[in-house]
Amino acid sequence: GAVVSQHPSWVICKSGTSVKIECRSLDFQATTMFWYRQFPKQSLMLMATSNEGSKATYEQGVEKDKFLINHASLTLSTLTVTSAHPEDSSFYICSASFQGSSNQPQHFGDGTRLSIL
Amino acid sequence: GESVGLHLPTLSVQEGDNSIINCAYSNSASDYFIWYKQESGKGPQFIIDIRSNMDKRQGQRVTVLLNKTVKHLSLQIAATQPGDSAVYFCAENTPQKLVFGQGTRLTINP
Repeated sequence: GAVVSQHPSWVICKSGTSVKIECRSLDFQATTMFWYRQFPKQSLMLMATSNEGSKATYEQGVEKDKFLINHASLTLSTLTVTSAHPEDSSFYICSASFQGSSNQPQHFGDGTRLSIL
Repeated sequence: GESVGLHLPTLSVQEGDNSIINCAYSNSASDYFIWYKQESGKGPQFIIDIRSNMDKRQGQRVTVLLNKTVKHLSLQIAATQPGDSAVYFCAENTPQKLVFGQGTRLTINP
């Protein structure tokens, strides 16, 4: 149980392109989803928290107009990297939690490796 | 404040030996911790969790110990196997978010 699917698994695109990443909870309803970014040999850094039907909460330093998050249903959240540039190249990982963060562990997708040329 | 750290960035053990990965935290009010395993190119995988009302919790080949007095927790892996090679993260599960430590890379020597 508690399977989170992330798509695509990797993307290579030109600078200036917008890229959409999907995160789906396959066997449970996720009231909260989280988006992380991970650079090589570093830990996961939380970018934003999204609750179904409401606006995402972004961490300090994360541009909300750059990283658009939509959580329109209890099983799907999307992250759109707008006008991506080489410095946006990273490993983006989503997670989902039922009943929020504090009561249950987060379950993670397998990440999307984004490479901007 | 929120701060979860690991003592060592790398750990190398012989196959079959036991592995111990350590983690320190700074917030004495922290009450829920999770260990994750991340294999190369994948997302973190839940291993085991522990709440502050417990000192020890066991799973299959894994044991987590929590010492609230010195704000330290550890992950013990028994009879380490090649498939245990990964980066291990401890994380503090706060009401708002998950705070990850820096990670320890576990390497298994044949």
